[in-house]
Amino acid sequence: QKEVEQNSGPLSVPEGAIASLNCTYSDRGSQSFFWYRQYSGKSPELIMSIYSNGDKEDGRFTAQLNKASQYVSLLIRDSQPSDSATYLCAVNRDDKIIFGKGTRLHILP
Amino acid sequence: SAVISQKPSRDICQRGTSLTIQCQVDSQVTMMFWYRQQPGQSLTLIATANQGSEATYESGFVIDKFPISRPNLTFSTLTVSNMSPEDSSIYLCSVVTPPVGQYFGPGTRLTVT
Repeated sequence: QKEVEQNSGPLSVPEGAIASLNCTYSDRGSQSFFWYRQYSGKSPELIMSIYSNGDKEDGRFTAQLNKASQYVSLLIRDSQPSDSATYLCAVNRDDKIIFGKGTRLHILP
Repeated sequence: SAVISQKPSRDICQRGTSLTIQCQVDSQVTMMFWYRQQPGQSLTLIATANQGSEATYESGFVIDKFPISRPNLTFSTLTVSNMSPEDSSIYLCSVVTPPVGQYFGPGTRLTVT
């Protein structure tokens, strides 16, 4: 089992709808979880971090964590064309950050 | 957040040669990380560079191929040695700044011919 798993997509969502991105991880000892956005040809940009079970909201973004299920998700409300990018889920392991392969999100105008 | 710069931004190199990539951070950081991102793939951690000690390499990466220097708390270099076309990739420097967040440099796009 890979350490961090994501559906590669592409995930197509109409503009204005909610985009839902999912991630599972294998190391039960992980304590920190991150979502990065990466535009084509650019380096990853941190958009959310979450450390405890439940929801964390920041503007249009909501991160959800369920440690019992080893599951992290990112919701993007009111999706905009500028949200079209690859979203990388990342998990800490022994002071290192391990990344999933990413989910390509395409917002349809 | 930290501001990270990398040099060069891109290069085209011949097989068998070596390239040294520089990473400069605008603040002192304990740990710096080097990642590789091959076309269409996610980020793979190459090694962790701590100031004053040997770098720690991940499985599949060795010091002879990817020597790393960390002379101070704001600077690191990664050398890609004896390059082959399989080394064509984007190489990214990264730092962790408390209390949260890992931040990336703009990357070095390497093409080996």
